[in-house]
Amino acid sequence: DSGVTQTPKHLITATGQRVTLRCSPRSGDLSVYWYQQSLDQGLQFLIQYYNGEERAKGNILERFSAQQFPDLHSELNLSSLELGDSALYFCASSAGTIPTGELFFGEGSRLTVL
Amino acid sequence: AQKVTQAQTEISVVEKEDVTLDCVYETRDTTYYLFWYKQPPSGELVFLIRRNSFDEQNEISGRYSWNFQKSTSSFNFTITASQVVDSAVYFCALSDPTGGGNKLTFGTGTQLKVEL
Repeated sequence: DSGVTQTPKHLITATGQRVTLRCSPRSGDLSVYWYQQSLDQGLQFLIQYYNGEERAKGNILERFSAQQFPDLHSELNLSSLELGDSALYFCASSAGTIPTGELFFGEGSRLTVL
Repeated sequence: AQKVTQAQTEISVVEKEDVTLDCVYETRDTTYYLFWYKQPPSGELVFLIRRNSFDEQNEISGRYSWNFQKSTSSFNFTITASQVVDSAVYFCALSDPTGGGNKLTFGTGTQLKVEL
């Protein structure tokens, strides 16, 4: 158990809909990362937050947004969903912002868009 | 830009065989970190090892060993006497400070199948 909690574990929805994925980082970790894993794109970095502020942005679509709340949990919002958004979405956390430590990953939220 | 290449898409071995998973990376940074993660069929990503660019000493942990060679930009992972429980997708990753932050750039993964 990594200590990172993601909900929901599975989600099935239709094209055009909007969903919210939630992540609770490990106790004490200030950084939260979102990754998308799909068959054709592999593991892609989406966005990082550190203590409530956006720290780094990757290949995140404009239809997607994220935030980190004062209690350090994070939400990834996916809107106007398309079939291609079907993927496993991982949240990870780490203590700080420098890459000296590993990222601790949650079990992922599997999104299926029909 | 950072890049990680895992040329082996899938490897199949028989239990007790040794197997090496290759990882080649590209970076312009002088200080960087390399990682290996395991993704078993259950789906979660499990951290295995971190290595910084200044430490080229090989590391052994039980049946796992890692060979870091800066001269060839490689960070290979060997499993000795493989077991069925080692069946998983293994990802090599590189620290990526591009645009700030602490993200990792992952390779495409190597699917390891260990059969009886």
